[in-house]
Amino acid sequence: KAGVTQTPRYLIKTRGQQVTLSCSPISGHRSVSWYQQTPGQGLQFLFEYFSETQRNKGNFPGRFSGRQFSNSRSEMNVSTLELGDSALYLCASSWGPPGETEAFFGQGTRLTVV
Amino acid sequence: GESVGLHLPTLSVQEGDNSIINCAYSNSASDYFIWYKQESGKGPQFIIDIRSNMDKRQGQRVTVLLNKTVKHLSLQIAATQPGDSAVYFCAEKGSSYKLIFGSGTRLLVRP
Repeated sequence: KAGVTQTPRYLIKTRGQQVTLSCSPISGHRSVSWYQQTPGQGLQFLFEYFSETQRNKGNFPGRFSGRQFSNSRSEMNVSTLELGDSALYLCASSWGPPGETEAFFGQGTRLTVV
Repeated sequence: GESVGLHLPTLSVQEGDNSIINCAYSNSASDYFIWYKQESGKGPQFIIDIRSNMDKRQGQRVTVLLNKTVKHLSLQIAATQPGDSAVYFCAEKGSSYKLIFGSGTRLLVRP
């Protein structure tokens, strides 16, 4: 059974650019969550999607957005990149609501903004 | 606000000894807790979970203890091995479909 797949694994972008990250959940999982991981802030919740609906959003500016497709794959987008957006972006999938069913993480996308 | 924290940022143990990693949580209404292990360059890996109707749950070489009275969670690893070296996070089921993570404890296993 394939795990959670995130692409790309590494990205280098320039300030002001925008970026799109992709997450393919485990087959059959309908919930996809995104987290930002930095040394200073740890793992911070970005948003959660279930059946193409965003059910919750963390305390991030509007430059951070996401969506989920009918096959449960999800993308997140960051516009007008800032240096502080450099982080490991993690995606987690679960069969049901995270926190009620086990959530599995991908290996993450390492974003560096220069 | 909601928060989950850890008492020790780094724990160094001798191979073969038992390890205990602690975590405090603030939301007394939380009913689900998870421990994750994160190795360098990888995403967090599920280790074990526990619901609030339990005090203890055992897995393979790991035990999670939950003390709701003092809002404390611990992960015990028996016979710690070099492969256990990683950062360990506790997480709490927060409101509205999200997990709240602690800041993490780095476990170093000395050969």
